[in-house]
Amino acid sequence: KNEVEQSPQNLTAQEGEFITINCSYSVGISALHWLQQHPGGGIVSLFMLSSGKKKHGRLIATINIQEKHSSLHITASHPRDSAVYICAAIIQGAQKLVFGQGTRLTINP
Amino acid sequence: DVKVTQSSRYLVKRTGEKVFLECVQDMDHENMFWYRQDPGLGLRLIYFSYDVKMKEKGDIPEGYSVSREKKERFSLILESASTNQTSMYLCASSHYNEQYFGPGTRLTVT
Repeated sequence: KNEVEQSPQNLTAQEGEFITINCSYSVGISALHWLQQHPGGGIVSLFMLSSGKKKHGRLIATINIQEKHSSLHITASHPRDSAVYICAAIIQGAQKLVFGQGTRLTINP
Repeated sequence: DVKVTQSSRYLVKRTGEKVFLECVQDMDHENMFWYRQDPGLGLRLIYFSYDVKMKEKGDIPEGYSVSREKKERFSLILESASTNQTSMYLCASSHYNEQYFGPGTRLTVT
C-alpha cells in the first residue's frame, strides 16, 4: 500500500462542475503539497498546507490532520483546469516528499 | 521568483552512453532533489542533497549518481544509460518545506 493514496485516478467533468480530488496518507507529516502538472509541462505547487484550509481563486485545499486526509476542490471548473493534480506529503522530520499517483482531470467544454 | 532550470527539455541518448542532466537554482536553497516520473508509477525520488558535497540516496538510486560541487547546481549522472532509464526527469529545490520544480527533461535512451 502506498503511503499516499489519491482518488480518483482519472476524472472527466463538464465545464462549470465542482471538482473534488482526495488524498489520504498513512504517515506522520509536517505539511502537504498540492501540485499541478499540465501536459508536457513542469510541476507547479498550488498549495502547501499543514492545517485547515487555503483558497486561491477557484481552488480550495483542505486538510484534516486527525483523519490524515486532504482534499482539493475546484469551483466553476474550466477546460484550462485540465491537468494532472498530485498530492505530496512532507514526511515529519525530513525534507523528502512522498507522492500520490496523481489524478488526471479533464474538463470538457 | 524562484527559478529552477534544467539543461535540456528533450534528450536522446544511446544505450551505454554517459549522460549528464544539469539543474541550477537561483535562490540559494540548501536542498535539491532529482526525481523521475513514469506513467503509472508517479514521481519517485532518485537522490537528494542537503548541502554542497552532501548527497543521500532516495528510493531508486540504482544506475544513477549525483554531484553537487556548488550550492546552486545539482547534477544527475547516468554512468551507462539503459533503455529502462527512458523517463521524465524532474529537478527541485526547497527552502524549509516549499519545493520548486524545474521544467523537466524528457530522456529517451535507444
